[in-house]
Amino acid sequence: EVQLVESGGGLVQPGGSLRVSCAVSGFSFSSYWMTWVRQAPGKGLELVANIKEDGSEKYYVDSVKGRFTISRDNAKNSLYLQMNSLRVEDTAVYYCVTGSGRSPGIWGQGTTVTVSS
Amino acid sequence: DVVMTQSPLSLPVTLGQPASISCRSSQSLIYSDGNTYLNWFQQRPGQSPRRLIYKVSNRDSGVPDRFSGSGSGTDFTLTISRVEAEDVGVYYCMQGTHWPFTFGRGTKLEIK
Repeated sequence: EVQLVESGGGLVQPGGSLRVSCAVSGFSFSSYWMTWVRQAPGKGLELVANIKEDGSEKYYVDSVKGRFTISRDNAKNSLYLQMNSLRVEDTAVYYCVTGSGRSPGIWGQGTTVTVSS
Repeated sequence: DVVMTQSPLSLPVTLGQPASISCRSSQSLIYSDGNTYLNWFQQRPGQSPRRLIYKVSNRDSGVPDRFSGSGSGTDFTLTISRVEAEDVGVYYCMQGTHWPFTFGRGTKLEIK
């Protein structure tokens, strides 16, 4: 069974940093693109970033470019999102999702990031 | 960015009746590889989104066959042939053809 378990969310002040992680099991992680999608409270979905199987290609939505970094450790079957210079508008549930985002497949349960003073 | 416009945004449906959600994109979703990356997701209350349909009309494993997707180019439709109580939630269309990939605002399906 494919499982994606996000962790690392929490409360952070504006301008602060946070790293969220996603532990993956049940499929060949190193063979798949991976994606982060977020959902602000009571709002819709926004694809934030994705990363190629070997980490050689990464793409970001404009609103996080230069502040967020997606990465992966295939030896640890883990996906990461380093978030710097956080803003109030980054407050959201962050989901780890299998695939490049062209057809996001399996979603984790999400981890909540709250940016507030 | 490609804008995905869903209608209606609210959909009250009687149990056992059909339901239909429209999704229109601001650009054609036909990709250079010939595929059309239009997906449909269901988000039940308190749960993560779940993919129902990928590439317009391909139903995911475990998705009941009362769900179907259709359309082409810029106009797409998700149809539920007979609504059941477990179908309550928000439905999103999403395009994976043009970066950044974008979602519709969602359609909230409720039982009358």
